Amino acid sequence: EDQVTQSPEALRLQEGESSSLNCSYTVSGLRGLFWYRQDPGKGPEFLFTLYSAGEEKEKERLKATLTKKESFLHITAPKPEDSATYLCAVQDQDSNYQLIWGAGTKLIIKP
Amino acid sequence: NAGVTQTPKFQVLKTGQSMTLQCAQDMNHNSMYWYRQDPGMGLRLIYYSASEGTTDKGEVPNGYNVSRLNKREFSLRLESAAPSQTSVYFCATIWAGGYGYTFGSGTRLTVV
Repeated sequence: EDQVTQSPEALRLQEGESSSLNCSYTVSGLRGLFWYRQDPGKGPEFLFTLYSAGEEKEKERLKATLTKKESFLHITAPKPEDSATYLCAVQDQDSNYQLIWGAGTKLIIKP
Repeated sequence: NAGVTQTPKFQVLKTGQSMTLQCAQDMNHNSMYWYRQDPGMGLRLIYYSASEGTTDKGEVPNGYNVSRLNKREFSLRLESAAPSQTSVYFCATIWAGGYGYTFGSGTRLTVV
């Protein structure tokens, strides 16, 4: 059964304190892994798509990496505006449409 | 601005009442989706529509119906609301390349 597990559930950091969020997944074959950011009261906002092990993508203070069983979202020198819930989702190679979503990591950056 | 618009933003229903959640997109995309989001759980797909005139069940379709009215609009109907349907509902469309959803801002539904 396809499954996505994100850890930790919540993470509190001081401004400037770098860290990583984890997304581990189980699929028969990976078509794509997605990272989204969700602010309170809003819909998820697309950040990255990763397709194969070894791939990396960056956007401002965020860098996403992918291995065969997990993905990391690295946050370098975070600012309070980076506070949000970060969601991970995977698409199985046999699925044209459906994504399997993790429950998310709530990130709080204190000034 | 291009995007996905959902109405209403908030709704309280009594058990057994019915309602329709509306969704419209102005991105000219073929595929549209309805998800629900519950605390501590990942987003779960209720129904999707790959193109105008087609709809298919997702992971949790029971208690819901959908209508793809035209290319822009995709509505979700609760015929007889139950407390278990208390949730935040998101409509989404997908990029032409097939990857990366654009989500609406959600409808927060409470069934009492």
